[in-house]
Amino acid sequence: QMQLVQSGGGVVQPGRSLKLSCAASGFSFSSYTIHWVRQAPGKGLEWVAVISYDGSTEYYADSMEGRMSISRDNSKNTVNLEMNSLRSEDTALYYCARDRGVLGVKGYFYGMDVWGQGTTVIVS
Amino acid sequence: QSVLTQPPSMSAAPGQKVTISCSGTSSNIGNHDVSWYQQLPGTAPKLLIYDNHKRPSEIPDRFSGSKSGTSATLGITGLQTGDEADYYCGTWDSSLSAGVFGGGTKLTVL
Repeated sequence: QMQLVQSGGGVVQPGRSLKLSCAASGFSFSSYTIHWVRQAPGKGLEWVAVISYDGSTEYYADSMEGRMSISRDNSKNTVNLEMNSLRSEDTALYYCARDRGVLGVKGYFYGMDVWGQGTTVIVS
Repeated sequence: QSVLTQPPSMSAAPGQKVTISCSGTSSNIGNHDVSWYQQLPGTAPKLLIYDNHKRPSEIPDRFSGSKSGTSATLGITGLQTGDEADYYCGTWDSSLSAGVFGGGTKLTVL
């Protein structure tokens, strides 16, 4: 079945870096845009970043202030999120999610229909 | 402060209908498709509605979506206790060149 399996995360000191990974299976990974979304404890969903199906385009939330970098390897069916200069406010549950728009023809936010299980990042 | 505005909470009795609003601007809802998500406690969000009003095949027709101008609405009929969850709207914002979510609505079925 279609799934995204996340890895990485954990406890990290302020100012350090961390890389999250998201491995896809069960669908044609190279045809789909992938998002990262996070959720701070007790808070709502916050969009973090998106990468196009072919990796040619990336967008980030302004609040990430250039500290995040999203990348993908379509030969390995994986997407990564590298987070630098981490702050306490980056503490959250991070999700990767597939956008259901094939080949980006519906733009960058058509609907996130497959979600990873989430991975926790604690900056302390 | 979220770019999209949703009521923080709503409540209704089992069997009743509820509508959750999501208000935005011309740079987001006004010019982009809206999707809705249900998040049950301790689980990942689940897509309920995409393209403003379309449902994935596994979503029952008790859930519906609509959009008019710069606002969108999620409707849920025949409320069940299992519908108690947080609901989020989301879309693209072309001024920000970023995705945006509403702050979420906590639905209580009592």
